[in-house]
Amino acid sequence: IQMTQSPSSLSVSVGDRVTITCQASQDISNYLIWYQQKPGKAPKLLIYDASNLETGVPSRFSGSGSGTDFTFTISSLQPEDIATYYCQHYDNFSYTFGQGTKLEIK
Amino acid sequence: EVQLVESGGSVVRPGGSLRLSCAASGFTFDDYGMTWVRQAPGKGLEWVSGINWNGVRTGYADSVKGRFTISRDNAKKSLYLQMNSLRAEDTALYYCGRESGPAIAAAGTRYWGQGTLVTVSS
Repeated sequence: IQMTQSPSSLSVSVGDRVTITCQASQDISNYLIWYQQKPGKAPKLLIYDASNLETGVPSRFSGSGSGTDFTFTISSLQPEDIATYYCQHYDNFSYTFGQGTKLEIK
Repeated sequence: EVQLVESGGSVVRPGGSLRLSCAASGFTFDDYGMTWVRQAPGKGLEWVSGINWNGVRTGYADSVKGRFTISRDNAKKSLYLQMNSLRAEDTALYYCGRESGPAIAAAGTRYWGQGTLVTVSS
């Protein structure tokens, strides 16, 4: 299964609504995770099972979708959200990451 | 507090071998599957390998299958990655991660180490 994430980069401003998409090459139900990675740091899990917010993650982050098409949204971008975001599919055998979306300040 | 500490990264020549280790603490190690993820300089994340709680089941990315071997020692609370026939494209920061449950690739990796750098170069 291939995971196609877009866009690869996004120029954003504080307060913007940010949307990232991830498309699977075949039906993956809701077996999708979203991570945030800041420079020099390990990834941080934000959303699991496509739409469930991890404990402690701000509610401005959300995820939706099932089957092949998924969306990750930041409702109002904060300065600390500048990072690279990855989707990841899991199937109890392996993981597949999307290519990543790097957010940059406009 | 969950802690994962990788070690073993270094500079190695193409065709060489290296063994990475990940020491775990702060949780019941043999309750969880474990994973290795790598990140080449300036590139994205790539899942490398995973192992279930008792080491019976393992999984590998196609890019490392036949060259890398994942293992674990639950008594020592340690995870390993034996890397053979190394190539320049294996150059990356290798992260150790704890799974969300006892299986491989099950619902995400919530805890990560800080990574250990492997450089394959002549």
